[in-house]
Amino acid sequence: NAGVTQTPKFRILKIGQSMTLQCTQDMNHNYMYWYRQDPGMGLKLIYYSVGAGITDKGEVPNGYNVSRSTTEDFPLRLELAAPSQTSVYFCASSQFFSGSYEQYFGPGTRLTVT
Amino acid sequence: QKEVEQDPGPLSVPEGAIVSLNCTYSNSAFQYFMWYRQYSRKGPELLMYTYSSGNKEDGRFTAQVDKSSKYISLFIRDSQPSDSATYLCAMSGGNQGGKLIFGQGTELSVKP
Repeated sequence: NAGVTQTPKFRILKIGQSMTLQCTQDMNHNYMYWYRQDPGMGLKLIYYSVGAGITDKGEVPNGYNVSRSTTEDFPLRLELAAPSQTSVYFCASSQFFSGSYEQYFGPGTRLTVT
Repeated sequence: QKEVEQDPGPLSVPEGAIVSLNCTYSNSAFQYFMWYRQYSRKGPELLMYTYSSGNKEDGRFTAQVDKSSKYISLFIRDSQPSDSATYLCAMSGGNQGGKLIFGQGTELSVKP
């Protein structure tokens, strides 16, 4: 199993451009998440999904959109990129089982908006 | 007030030292407590998981939860340079979606 994969690894965007961060998991997990991590700030939840076709906002959803058409994929869309969206983005997945909420993380996408 | 507070450090210790990492929280509904380890430029990975109060030990690592004080700890015995990483506490109240609330993370450096 590859686990959670993310593409691209790095990206530089100009202000106002748009892009999609890709996330795929091969563990058949129902739950998927997008986080952003700023230096010294921990992980902030952007959006999450409890299954295909179901998404909901997290703590910092403004400026982002998501969709979940399949169990495996959970892309994150940035529209009209702003410097405040410069961050490291992590995708994660989990499957609640016997009380475990373990989330499996991808390697991250480093995004710079200039 | 943040739901979860964690001292960001950095914390520097000599090899072999006992390390204590801590988080406090304000939400009494939290029942699931986790510690994640994150190496530089990598995604976090689960290190320890505890449900409700009590202790859990795994090799050199011990996790403690004190729900009465809303305080959790991670102890690392005989610390090694390979333990150098950022340690993030995370918590959940068992809500739908398995959402976790993360602390800021503590950066640990173990010097040989």
